[in-house]
Amino acid sequence: QMQLQESGPGLVKPSETLSLTCTVSGGSISSSTYYWGWIRQPPGKGLEWIGSIYYSVNTFHNPSLNRRGTISVDTSKNQFSLNLRSVTAADTAVYYCVRHVLGQGDYWGQGTLVTVSS
Amino acid sequence: QSVLTQSPSASGTPGQRVTISCSGSSSNIGSNTVNWYHQLPGTAPKLLIYSDSQRPSGVPDRISGSKSGTSASLAISGLQPEDEADYYCATWDDSLNAWVFGGGTKLTVL
Repeated sequence: QMQLQESGPGLVKPSETLSLTCTVSGGSISSSTYYWGWIRQPPGKGLEWIGSIYYSVNTFHNPSLNRRGTISVDTSKNQFSLNLRSVTAADTAVYYCVRHVLGQGDYWGQGTLVTVSS
Repeated sequence: QSVLTQSPSASGTPGQRVTISCSGSSSNIGSNTVNWYHQLPGTAPKLLIYSDSQRPSGVPDRISGSKSGTSASLAISGLQPEDEADYYCATWDDSLNAWVFGGGTKLTVL
């Protein structure tokens, strides 16, 4: 059974970089079939796709984030990561990592709350 | 402002049938299949319907999905208290090259 688990700091200061890692178990992140992505959910609000990586090198990002996000893969550790630069309070959210094919996400991490505050 | 439009709330009594709608455009729902997720408080979203109308293993057949043109619907019949959750539609948008979601519908079982 595939499992995804997010890890990273729960508190980030404004203007700094938010860094999260998703560790995948029960399957290979090198699969050419799937995208590996990040989705976030601000408190009390809906879901927002941040970006995804496909086939370890092709990345797609939500245009609304103004190119602040970078997604990368470490196949040796079966992990993928998110770096979100220049964060503000508006980036406070629960961040989920997810395996998906276009809009179909079948495996999700449990989510991790990241608060942006000084 | 979400790319896909959902009503913020829906409700029904146990045993009733409720429908949740999702409206999009030719670049998203009109071009790609729709997926539905439900989310209980404090938990990750869970795939409920994929490819417009397919149910993953374990999802009961009282839950169904459909699509027509640039709109999609999720129907839940025989409503049960445990159906009370937030429901999101989602698909890929070819113009934005992005995974897009509806704003979510909060379903209340009265």
